Amino acid sequence: NAGVTQTPKFQVLKTGQSMTLQCAQDMNHEYMSWYRQDPGMGLRLIHYSVGAGITDQGEVPNGYNVSRSTTEDFPLRLLSAAPSQTSVYFCASSYSWLAGGDEQFFGPGTRLTVL
Amino acid sequence: QKEVEQDPGPLSVPEGAIVSLNCTYSNSAFQYFMWYRQYSRKGPELLMYTYSSGNKEDGRFTAQVDKSSKYISLFIRDSQPSDSATYLCATLEGDMRFGAGTRLTVKP
Repeated sequence: NAGVTQTPKFQVLKTGQSMTLQCAQDMNHEYMSWYRQDPGMGLRLIHYSVGAGITDQGEVPNGYNVSRSTTEDFPLRLLSAAPSQTSVYFCASSYSWLAGGDEQFFGPGTRLTVL
Repeated sequence: QKEVEQDPGPLSVPEGAIVSLNCTYSNSAFQYFMWYRQYSRKGPELLMYTYSSGNKEDGRFTAQVDKSSKYISLFIRDSQPSDSATYLCATLEGDMRFGAGTRLTVKP
């Protein structure tokens, strides 16, 4: 049981490049989400999904796309990277839509730098 | 104004000290409150959660919610060097809302 895995661990991009951050979970969780963590800002929700085929925007969705074709995978796409997207990105999953404080399990993070 | 405010610290205490970590929130509708612990270069992990007001204890950790003042606290008794981490408070109303995190160092 690997939990939540993220690849890559580190990435450097040039402005305007595109890339996909991968996230996978093997716990059969319905709910998955992407956060970014910046100094002094805490974790901010980018996009989330309550099940395969269903996604929605969080607090800071601009510049990011997601899709959920399977229960296990929830990739995050940067279409045209900007320096403002330099951050640490965390993927998380939980069994349900956080009803009753259902625990979210976080991945180890992807450190992204956009030059 | 951010919905969840948390002093980022850093906070440094000697081993064995009682640590008090605090957050305030703005939305009185929040009912679920969580504390996450994040070690350096790792993802956050859930430490405790509480519903509505009151206290919840788990070993050396106590979470406290005061809804009248919109104040949430985490107390760590007999702090250990292994408690050195960033502690994030969070609330839930639809989406999760996180505080900025307080960086704690417990010195041997």
